[in-house]
Amino acid sequence: DAGVIQSPRHEVTEMGQEVTLRCKPISGHDYLFWYRQTMMRGLELLIYFNNNVPIDDSGMPEDRFSAKMPNASFSTLKIQPSEPRDSAVYFCASSGGRLYEQYFGPGTRLTVT
Amino acid sequence: AQSVAQPEDQVNVAEGNPLTVKCTYSVSGNPYLFWYVQYPNRGLQFLLKYITGDNLVKGSYGFEAEFNKSQTSFHLKKPSALVSDSALYFCAFISSGSARQLTFGSGTQLTVLP
Repeated sequence: DAGVIQSPRHEVTEMGQEVTLRCKPISGHDYLFWYRQTMMRGLELLIYFNNNVPIDDSGMPEDRFSAKMPNASFSTLKIQPSEPRDSAVYFCASSGGRLYEQYFGPGTRLTVT
Repeated sequence: AQSVAQPEDQVNVAEGNPLTVKCTYSVSGNPYLFWYVQYPNRGLQFLLKYITGDNLVKGSYGFEAEFNKSQTSFHLKKPSALVSDSALYFCAFISSGSARQLTFGSGTQLTVLP
C-alpha cells in the first residue's frame, strides 16, 4: 500500500484566497483524521470521520475551515478565506479495523502571506 | 482533564548509550498508549502501542516501552542509541469513549550525539 497520500505537499497563497488540501487514506481504513501542527500549539486534531461521516469537528478553529469526505478514498480540508495565522503543516491520518494506531501522511506545508 | 505529559522538551544522549524518553499519563480507565516519531519534514510514524497484556511492548527500530500502572508512566527506551534516532518523539493516548481520537503530548526532541 502507498500509505496516506496528501496533496499538495507545499502551498503558498495570499491572504483571502481559498485553499484546498487533499487526502487519500489507506485503502480499507474507516477512520480519517485531519491535524494541524505549529510550533506554538503543537499537534491539534481538527476533525475526524468514521465511514465518511464527521464524528467530531470541535477542533476546527472557526467557520473558515470546512472538511468533507465524499467517499472512502478521498477527503478535503478547505480554508476560505485564508489568513496568515493559518500557516502550519496539515496532516491527514487514517486507521481502521482492529488497529487503533493511526498512519499519517507526509503533510501539507501551508504558508499564507 | 485527561492528558499525557512529556516532561522533557529535549533529551541528548551519546551514540551507543541507552536512551529514555519519558511520558506520564493521567487517563481514566484502561488507557491505550502510543509512541510516535517524527523526522524532519515528515509525517508522524507509529512506533508502538500498549492496549492490554504484557507491560513491556516492543516496537519498530529496536524501541520498547514499559507500561507502569503504579507510576502512571509509559517511557520509551532503546538499549543503544543511533545517530539516526535523532527526531521528535510524541506520546499519545486514546481515552475511553472517544473511539479512535488520539491526544498527543507536547513532544520531546531527541538528539543522539556521535
